[in-house]
Amino acid sequence: DAKTTQPPSMDCAEGRAANLPCNHSTISGNEYVYWYRQIHSQGPQYIIHGLKNNETNEMASLIITEDRKSSTLILPHATLRDTAVYYCIVRVGRAAGNKLTFGGGTRVLVKP
Amino acid sequence: GAVVSQHPSRVICKSGTSVKIECRSLDFQATTMFWYRQFPKQSLMLMATSNEGSKATYEQGVEKDKFLINHASLTLSTLTVTSAHPEDSSFYICSAFEDGADTQYFGPGTRLTVL
Repeated sequence: DAKTTQPPSMDCAEGRAANLPCNHSTISGNEYVYWYRQIHSQGPQYIIHGLKNNETNEMASLIITEDRKSSTLILPHATLRDTAVYYCIVRVGRAAGNKLTFGGGTRVLVKP
Repeated sequence: GAVVSQHPSRVICKSGTSVKIECRSLDFQATTMFWYRQFPKQSLMLMATSNEGSKATYEQGVEKDKFLINHASLTLSTLTVTSAHPEDSSFYICSAFEDGADTQYFGPGTRLTVL
């Protein structure tokens, strides 16, 4: 699986948009970008995923650059409950077993 | 999103005993489930891939005789930690792969403490 690079931590202001960057410069053409978050002492929560098009759901937006070497997760209006560790993961398709490899993630602290 | 449950959420046991953790996909069927372990202040580490009706595939360094995995149905996988020792104390998390969504959904985790 392609490795990802994320900043270890970042602070966000409550009510403002939070932009979380992720670099995946070695991504291959059939590899998806997944985002999960983990709130303290809980299992990871799925947020969003994409291949090459930008994606949006009720939780967040995912912007993938045209060369697919980086992406940004956008939380449009951060709340205190969005404080968590956010993981950007690159996953190969079904043929490779659908495994996820977790890196260190970004520890996001939303401040009032 | 799809829901995955784990039971128990927390267990304390004596050294040398065995502990079974259940992982269930509540509203979808999962031919593939995964088991992870997470130590304090660390990221999740994949232990094994559990396939319904076949033997589990273990990651390098994970003892298959110590961590027994059974995936007897499309909605249930179990992890049994045999002869548990204090170093097995950890947060164990399962996930289930939903084919339709092409996504893994995670359970809430089980905190194991071995005294």
